[in-house]
Amino acid sequence: AQKITQTQPGMFVQEKEAVTLDCTYDTSDPSYGLFWYKQPSSGEMIFLIYQGSYDQQNATEGRYSLNFQKARKSANLVISASQLGDSAMYFCAMREGLDSSYKLIFGSGTRLLVRP
Amino acid sequence: DSGVTQTPKHLITATGQRVTLRCSPRSGDLSVYWYQQSLDQGLQFLIQYYNGEERAKGNILERFSAQQFPDLHSELNLSSLELGDSALYFCASSVEVAGGHTDTQYFGPGTRLTVL
Repeated sequence: AQKITQTQPGMFVQEKEAVTLDCTYDTSDPSYGLFWYKQPSSGEMIFLIYQGSYDQQNATEGRYSLNFQKARKSANLVISASQLGDSAMYFCAMREGLDSSYKLIFGSGTRLLVRP
Repeated sequence: DSGVTQTPKHLITATGQRVTLRCSPRSGDLSVYWYQQSLDQGLQFLIQYYNGEERAKGNILERFSAQQFPDLHSELNLSSLELGDSALYFCASSVEVAGGHTDTQYFGPGTRLTVL
């Protein structure tokens, strides 16, 4: 079964609007971390935001916030006030606590295009 | 700039050849991960080293090997290259403290390998 599911292959958003990128996950481990990364066309992977499974509050980092709904196993990324530079691929990833390698498991990504 | 460096940035080679990709982790990070990003497989974990020791293997082919040196830099060796090995290879590093699922992995810029 897919551990991380991103159901939106591509999305458009108008500049200055907010956008939500969906991510659902599957794990039986009570300890896990959820991450979002941005990959611009230049190729590098840029860390955006982290949410721990025991965190009570939703994570925020500047214009990025994570809408964490544990019971639904969803960890959606919200980007507020979109900018042209936000056009990129966005990957949701998970690390499970019992997996001693702590490797990241990635979703298939969502390509976001910000329209001027 | 994540602080993780990878060389070379681009590599073009022929089938059957052998190449070495190099990674220097962020200062203070003990753990190095290698990932492969291809169009058909997405982002896949290959192998992890922690403080010089192999910790975990993922979907790494037998033709591929890696090591981490005493100065903590790591090399990924790819041999008997095939067309399907063409991909973007990322190195990531993290500190790895207890409860490592909370640690953020920071990615290098990647090495784009093209096998002709």
